[in-house]
Amino acid sequence: KAGVTQTPRYLIKTRGQQVTLSCSPISGHRSVSWYQQTPGQGLQFLFEYFSETQRNKGNFPGRFSGRQFSNSRSEMNVSTLELGDSALYLCASSAGQGGSSTDTQYFGPGTRLTVL
Amino acid sequence: AQSVTQLGSHVSVSEGALVLLRCNYSSSVPPYLFWYVQYPNQGLQLLLKYTSAATLVKGINGFEAEFKKSETSFHLTKPSAHMSDAAEYFCAVRGGGYNKLIFGAGTRLAVHP
Repeated sequence: KAGVTQTPRYLIKTRGQQVTLSCSPISGHRSVSWYQQTPGQGLQFLFEYFSETQRNKGNFPGRFSGRQFSNSRSEMNVSTLELGDSALYLCASSAGQGGSSTDTQYFGPGTRLTVL
Repeated sequence: AQSVTQLGSHVSVSEGALVLLRCNYSSSVPPYLFWYVQYPNQGLQLLLKYTSAATLVKGINGFEAEFKKSETSFHLTKPSAHMSDAAEYFCAVRGGGYNKLIFGAGTRLAVHP
């Protein structure tokens, strides 16, 4: 089975722009979660989607949004970019909803976003 | 609420020596605990997970971890370090019925010849 794929792998934007990142989960997985990784704050949960519905959201401003399509692929969008949004954005997929011991999140390689 | 604390942001060992990376958790419900490894410029790779089936969990690449409820710990060990083990290691806890992982700050492992 192919793993989680994320596109693009690297992105450079300027302040004020917006950006869209894409994530394709492992085939058959219906849950997609997004995380932000920075040297200062570490790994922080952004949000989770399951069957096209956002089930959980982390403590991030409304500039961060996401969606999930019927084929489970997910996108996250950041509007009005700030310098502090520079980070590695990781996507993870899981087969179930997180209530089972067998639900495990598998991560993609990430998208490195640099905001200038 | 769940949380994870990793003791030691940097650990350095010699090749062939024991690796011990420490993780303590806080959880109001029975926790699901995970160890992930991250190599430079890569995503996170699952090493092992605790799901209450057994307190001693064996993972990939010779790593294992022991769940100790009395100590609220889930330390990661490997009997003999390899140069290829040099990476950053993250302990994480999941709870609440959602696919939300709460990560520790990470421990960077250096392995010296």
